[in-house]
Formats: sequence, C-alpha cells, structure tokens
Amino acid sequence: NAGVTQTPKFQVLKTGQSMTLQCAQDMNHNSMYWYRQDPGMGLRLIYYSASEGTTDKGEVPNGYNVSRLNKREFSLRLESAAPSQTSVYFCASSEGGAGYNEQFFGPGTRLTVL
Amino acid sequence: QKEVEQNSGPLSVPEGAIASLNCTYSDRGSQSFFWYRQYSGKSPELIMFIYSNGDKEDGRFTAQLNKASQYVSLLIRDSQPSDSATYLCAVNRRSGYSTLTFGKGTMLLVSP
Repeated sequence: NAGVTQTPKFQVLKTGQSMTLQCAQDMNHNSMYWYRQDPGMGLRLIYYSASEGTTDKGEVPNGYNVSRLNKREFSLRLESAAPSQTSVYFCASSEGGAGYNEQFFGPGTRLTVL
Repeated sequence: QKEVEQNSGPLSVPEGAIASLNCTYSDRGSQSFFWYRQYSGKSPELIMFIYSNGDKEDGRFTAQLNKASQYVSLLIRDSQPSDSATYLCAVNRRSGYSTLTFGKGTMLLVSP
C-alpha cells in the first residue's frame, strides 16, 4: 500500500503560470482534502471532496480549482499562480468525514512562485 | 478570536519528563478533537483523538478534554528526543460536512 501519493514533490513557477498538483490514494477512502501550510500558520483547508463526484470550498479556496477525477484521485489546479501561493501543499484522505475519522496525509508538494 | 489556539513554543523539556501541550477552541459545539504530530519536513500523522470529557490514554500519550472550559491537552510521559516535533491540535467544524480546523501547532523539543 502506497497510501497517499502526491506529484510533484517540488515545483517552481513564475507569476501567472498554471499547474496541477496530483494526488492519489489506494485506501478506498471516500473523502479527500487539499491543505496548504505556511510557516507559523498551521494547516488551512483549501478544498475537499466528501465523496466521488462532489467538491466543496474550504477556508482558503480563492485562486484554486479542484477535480475529483474518480474515487482515487483528487487534483488541485492553480490557473494563474501568485507569489502568495508559495506554500507546502498536502493532500489527505479519510474513510468518512475528517471530524470522525483519521486523515492520512501525502508527503506534500513544496511550491515556490516567483 | 481564533478558532483553535495553541502556544507556538518551542516547549523544551528534558528527556524523561512529562510534556504538556495545550489547545483552546472557540466553537462550544465542537464534538471531536484530534492531535497530529508533524516532524520537520514531513507530513502530519495522527496520535490520538478524543470525543468525551475526561482523559484518554494510549501508551505514553494522554489526551484530556474539558468541554466546559473549551480546552484540550496532550500529555506525553517519559518524553524522548524522538518526540521532538510540532504537535497540531485539530477540532471538527460543526457547519456543513465534517472537516477539521487546525491550530498553528506547538513545537516540542526534548533534550537528551
């Protein structure tokens, strides 16, 4: 079992460029999440998908879009990257809602926007 | 008022001591509380969760919950240098689907 995988591990973008962060889980979990983590800021929820076919905004959705491609995969897209989006991005999954189930996190993507 | 508050630390304790990590939350209706550990440069991993008032023990870890005071804590007994990490407190959000609000984390340093 690989758990939660994320690609790429590192990325440098210029302002205005676009990119997609990929996430996949092999635990047959229903729910998937995207967080960003900035120094001294803890984890902040960007978007989540409660189940295949649904997506919802979290605390900080502006500038991002997501796609729940199937039960395994949940991608995060930056259409026009800004320096404020420099962060570490974590994907996570859980069997059901995160409030009552353990979340399993991927290794993270370190994104720098110049 | 921030939803989930933690002292950023660092909290420094000697090896073998008890480390006490604290967290307060603002939503009185929150029902589930989690402690995640995050080593530097790594992803968070679950240590414990607690739903009911009182203490819950798991090995060297004890979670304590006091809903009246809106306070949750994590005690680590016999602290080891390998416990040095950032500890994230997380509380469920009542509105909408079940997601978590994380605190900023407390850095723990255990010296040999």
